[in-house]
Amino acid sequence: QVQLVQSGAEVKKPGASVKVSCKASGYTFSSYYIHWVRQAPGQSLEWMGRINGGLDDTKYSQKFQGRVTITRDTSASTAYMELSSLSSGDTAVYYCVREFHGGYFDYWGQGTLVTVSS
Amino acid sequence: QTVVTQEPSLTVSPGGTVTLTCASSTGAVTSGYYPNWFQQKPGQAPRALIYSTSNKHSWTPARFSGSLLGGQAALTLSGVQPEDEADYYCLLYCGDDWVFGGGTKLTV
Repeated sequence: QVQLVQSGAEVKKPGASVKVSCKASGYTFSSYYIHWVRQAPGQSLEWMGRINGGLDDTKYSQKFQGRVTITRDTSASTAYMELSSLSSGDTAVYYCVREFHGGYFDYWGQGTLVTVSS
Repeated sequence: QTVVTQEPSLTVSPGGTVTLTCASSTGAVTSGYYPNWFQQKPGQAPRALIYSTSNKHSWTPARFSGSLLGGQAALTLSGVQPEDEADYYCLLYCGDDWVFGGGTKLTV
């Protein structure tokens, strides 16, 4: 069965960086995109960017451009999201979600809580 | 950047029908926006319900349906159940970016 399993909760200080992983199983990693979405406490979902599982092709939201880097390790079927220059406003749950080409979103990771606090 | 707007909250009685909408600040929503709908309950990750306007996943209950209505994407729940109480989010492909709506809190 398809699963996206994310790394554990993180606590970071302002100005630091965080790297969250999303390990995929149960399907051909290279055939799908992996997107990253975050949700601040009590807020809506926010799209951050995506990576093509098969090609070296990434796309980032303008809001996070320059501060977020999404990478992948196809041999490990794992995608990564690194966010730099953290501030308290980056405290949120970060999710990965799978998309097949053409807007077919289906499976989500369980979420990773990132807390930014001095 | 495009703003995607949903009703902040709606209330429906059990067994009733309710339609949630999703509008784009740039104009009419079409199939080219690939509307997706997600359900989220407290403390849980979102769950996909509808993709590409009206297509259901294998796990999507039959009472959920997606459509385009009056230039907006729409999610209709027919025969609402108590367990449908949740937050619902739409997602649109806007130019090069994907944009979520602000979410609708559905109370049953």
